[in-house]
Amino acid sequence: AQSVAQPEDQVKVAEGNPLTVKCTYSVSGNPYLFWYVQYPNRGLQFLLKYITGDNLVKGSYGFEAEFNKSQTSFHLKKPSALVSDSALYFCAVRDMKTSYDKVIFGPGTSLSVIP
Amino acid sequence: GAGVSQTPSNKVTEKGKYVELRCDPISGHTALYWYRQSLGQGPEFLIYFQGTGAADDSGLPNDRFFAVRPEGSVSTLKIQRTERGDSAVYLCASSPGYSGQETQYFGPGTRLLVL
Repeated sequence: AQSVAQPEDQVKVAEGNPLTVKCTYSVSGNPYLFWYVQYPNRGLQFLLKYITGDNLVKGSYGFEAEFNKSQTSFHLKKPSALVSDSALYFCAVRDMKTSYDKVIFGPGTSLSVIP
Repeated sequence: GAGVSQTPSNKVTEKGKYVELRCDPISGHTALYWYRQSLGQGPEFLIYFQGTGAADDSGLPNDRFFAVRPEGSVSTLKIQRTERGDSAVYLCASSPGYSGQETQYFGPGTRLLVL
């Protein structure tokens, strides 16, 4: 079955330190992977996606993610965390059993950046 | 430009009542998705529209749920005989097409509470 796992419910990091939010996936074939961020009482905002090409993908707000096929991972990273990065982060994978853009979301990781 | 909008932002209803949730996608976007997000979980797919037709409604939990998109733009999610378990945030997303590599853009959601 196709799925996305985010092994950490919560991540806490000090402001200015690098952050990593982990994501692993299970799909058949080459995956299309996404990261979204959700601020309180707001919808999901797109951060970045991997379709093909360079394994390091750069996105909005200084975030980047590294696609690792051998480890089936797509971890989200940022070199220097800001307090305003505190939010809920969702990893998602395209459902490869469909020909359109249906995605399967992970359970989310709550990121807290401590001043 | 304007993003995806959803109305109402909050809806409180009593068990057994009928509710309608509205989604206005980004202008020109042909693909539209509905998701349901329960507390502490990632969004779960409900239904996908390609133009006016529901191309995939496999995520609708039962026949109390129905959605329409009569003119290929605005969509309405309809829930009959609401139950307490229907309480969740209902998210709408749109994308320019259905290439399989599109990014979905989400609205702020409608928070439904069934008492």
